[in-house]
Amino acid sequence: EPEVTQTPSHQVTQMGQEVILRCVPISNHLYFYWYRQILGQKVEFLVSFYNNEISEKSEIFDDQFSVERPDGSNFTLKIRSTKLEDSAMYFCASSDRGPTKGGEQYFGPGTRLTVT
Amino acid sequence: AQTVTQSQPEMSVQEAETVTLSCTYDTSENNYYLFWYKQPPSRQMILVIRQEAYKQQNATENRFSVNFQKAAKSFSLKISDSQLGDTAMYFCASANTGNQFYFGTGTSLTVIP
Repeated sequence: EPEVTQTPSHQVTQMGQEVILRCVPISNHLYFYWYRQILGQKVEFLVSFYNNEISEKSEIFDDQFSVERPDGSNFTLKIRSTKLEDSAMYFCASSDRGPTKGGEQYFGPGTRLTVT
Repeated sequence: AQTVTQSQPEMSVQEAETVTLSCTYDTSENNYYLFWYKQPPSRQMILVIRQEAYKQQNATENRFSVNFQKAAKSFSLKISDSQLGDTAMYFCASANTGNQFYFGTGTSLTVIP
């Protein structure tokens, strides 16, 4: 069964450094998402991406964040200058339809980002 | 913005028994979807069940069913004949006309043998 993959599984970085989290969505999917989950807290929406552009973003997704689909398979989240409070599990998801058309989101296993 | 509230941080149920997880939401949208996702320990989230807001009939997937009360903005999940593999964190979520999901804080369910 096709699945969403994410690399790396765990990333440790120093405050102020840039990180790129990578995701490979399911190949025929068109909608892509990033979420984060701070330890012990709820899953928070960051951004959705469709047709090579951001379609929705939350207030968390400020100027230090960016997303890109550099080729036909990868979907990346870049954090330009990491802060301690960026430490969280970051989940990528993809779907073949939008959520209000019943699109099921398939989630990746997550990347645990630790900022020291 | 939409909000999703899960008021039960933790629950437990005996194997083979039935358990109901509660969820309420707040939205001004007319068309939206509601979802229950399951996150087993150290594994990724998977969809359990979904409900389209304009469908009055409650969704059912095998042992999982929902009680969707649109006027009350309530969307509870019932798990019948609980199995050990049902032990997981369960998240209620809503989606609006934009491509944005709102998740609740989750309910940690433990099935006791």
